[in-house]
Amino acid sequence: SYVLTQPPSVSVAPGKTARITCGGNNIGSKSVHWYQQKPGQAPVLVIYYDSDRPSGIPERFSGSNSGNTATLTISRVEAGDEADYYCQVWDSSSCVFGTGTKVTVL
Amino acid sequence: QVTLRESGPALVKPTQTLTLTCTFSGFSLSTSGMCVSWIRQPPGKALEWLALIDWDDDKYYSTSLKTRLTISKDTSKNQVVLTMTNMDPVDTATYYCARTPWGDDDIGGMDVWGKGTTVTVSS
Repeated sequence: SYVLTQPPSVSVAPGKTARITCGGNNIGSKSVHWYQQKPGQAPVLVIYYDSDRPSGIPERFSGSNSGNTATLTISRVEAGDEADYYCQVWDSSSCVFGTGTKVTVL
Repeated sequence: QVTLRESGPALVKPTQTLTLTCTFSGFSLSTSGMCVSWIRQPPGKALEWLALIDWDDDKYYSTSLKTRLTISKDTSKNQVVLTMTNMDPVDTATYYCARTPWGDDDIGGMDVWGKGTTVTVSS
């Protein structure tokens, strides 16, 4: 089965840039979606189809996907960005979530 | 405004069958390209996809749980039902349903989620 690997944690200072990677075999050939989940809340879609932002999601959130790695980038990080982030793809009519990354704002 | 709400028992005993209902509004599951997914999250752990049903009544299941899951829809009631048999304490989790629309070429992200319902499996 298809596996998506994320770093368990990323720490970033306010105002700096956070990059969260999602590794998978030839993931560049798939569409990647990203979710933000704050404690006690349901996930929220922040990036879809690699790099599109849903309405209401700040432009500070961006995505890219190539080769074996997809990346979610959060620019000008704010305290409110502290959350768990998950990548997700569809593989052979099955949904796969990444292992999740906890973003800590220092 | 699109909303989804999960409902079902908060506590089930081991070996019992769990039935969860997702009641939604703001969209129709009879619309071409529309789907609803079920996802769960054990305490402190990652998201796990369970099943998806589409507008054409096609159904897709997690490979590891396929033998225990059944997903169905009632378009007239705007509901999607998930049953999971032979429940075990490891199935303790928050269960979510989410709208999952198709894009131009392939299925997209889960763009609206319910708040989730917590299910504990214990005798």
